[in-house]
Amino acid sequence: GAVVSQHPSRVICKSGTSVKIECRSLDFQATTMFWYRQFPKQSLMLMATSNEGSKATYEQGVEKDKFLINHASLTLSTLTVTSAHPEDSSFYICSARLPGGDQPQHFGDGTRLSIL
Amino acid sequence: AQSVSQHNHHVILSEAASLELGCNYSYGGTVNLFWYVQYPGQHLQLLLKYFSGDPLVKGIKGFEAEFIKSKFSFNLRKPSVQWSDTAEYFCAVTPHGSSNTGKLIFGQGTTLQVKP
Repeated sequence: GAVVSQHPSRVICKSGTSVKIECRSLDFQATTMFWYRQFPKQSLMLMATSNEGSKATYEQGVEKDKFLINHASLTLSTLTVTSAHPEDSSFYICSARLPGGDQPQHFGDGTRLSIL
Repeated sequence: AQSVSQHNHHVILSEAASLELGCNYSYGGTVNLFWYVQYPGQHLQLLLKYFSGDPLVKGIKGFEAEFIKSKFSFNLRKPSVQWSDTAEYFCAVTPHGSSNTGKLIFGQGTTLQVKP
């Protein structure tokens, strides 16, 4: 149980394109989802916390207008990288969590974004 | 600022050797602690977690970790590693002030390579 599906797994697109990444909890309802960014050989950096039905909470230094997050249902959150540029190339990972203070996060497989 | 530090960036062991990966965090309050593993080409998976109670926690695949509050540490151990343990290991904490959202702060990861 607790499977998180992330789509697409890899995206290659031209500079200036907007890219949407989907994160779905397949067998549970996730009131909270998280979006991370991982640079090569580095840790996962939390970008934002996404709560169903409300605005996402962004970490310091993350541009909310650049990285649009929508959590429209209890099983789906989307991250849209708007007008992507080469510096946005990275590995983006989502996770989902059941409500409650003792619930761990369950992670998707990640999306490799390459901007040419 | 809250942070998590993993001392070993790359560890190479032979099969049957014992493993200990260090993890220290900087946060003055109560935390929940986690170890995640990422096998090649797969998503992050929870190895074990500590919320309260016995500071020695046992996880999947023979792993265990010990929370030493006075040292702000949560080291991961396994008495005898196998080739299949080759993976990236991440230590993470959730400060109790963030327990409702489950926000995770990750260490930079340790690459474990087990030679057959």
